[in-house]
Amino acid sequence: AQSVTQLGSHVSVSEGALVLLRCNYSSSVPPYLFWYVQYPNQGLQLLLKYTSAATLVKGINGFEAEFKKSETSFHLTKPSAHMSDAAEYFCAVKGGSYIPTFGRGTSLIVHP
Amino acid sequence: SQTIHQWPATLVQPVGSPLSLECTVEGTSNPNLYWYRQAAGRGLQLLFYSIGIDQISSEVPQNLSASRPQDRQFILSSKKLLLSDSGFYLCAWAVRDRVYEQYFGPGTRLTVT
Repeated sequence: AQSVTQLGSHVSVSEGALVLLRCNYSSSVPPYLFWYVQYPNQGLQLLLKYTSAATLVKGINGFEAEFKKSETSFHLTKPSAHMSDAAEYFCAVKGGSYIPTFGRGTSLIVHP
Repeated sequence: SQTIHQWPATLVQPVGSPLSLECTVEGTSNPNLYWYRQAAGRGLQLLFYSIGIDQISSEVPQNLSASRPQDRQFILSSKKLLLSDSGFYLCAWAVRDRVYEQYFGPGTRLTVT
């Protein structure tokens, strides 16, 4: 079985502040992990992915995530938030299942 | 490069009316295809996935159905819509040997009145 838990349905930061979106996973096999971003009324866009290579993964728009097996985590970070980062972010895991499992999403709010 | 299309972009339908949403993928062959639904304030719910023409798996029992008449075409249908069918419908595709990495279409906003 596989699952992901995204801590916090909403995260609010000021422009220029650190962004940290949390994701913990559960998987019976070594997982593949993903972060997707969804802007209002649009589809999901792959932000970055971990597929058992480097544990620190860099994605688009300055985001990165670190795979920590001991903590079963794959948190998404960005050093400095921009107004354009305001969106819904989804963590997903693919373990032994044929299809990835998505978290419930975290809405990132960026204040000027 | 690959492109995924969905239409219509928005749809308002009365309860009890039929539904047909279409998704097509360009620039790839033999993709895996998926239908998801997002209800307001909720995550993604996988509805159907397909690994080939006429090979469709249903994840959630409901009044919706899916068909794949061509390799790169995926259709979501209903004979009679319910209010609870309102939501944002997303089609996605994946390469056959990288099924974990999905690419999403722009979505269809369905409102059932």
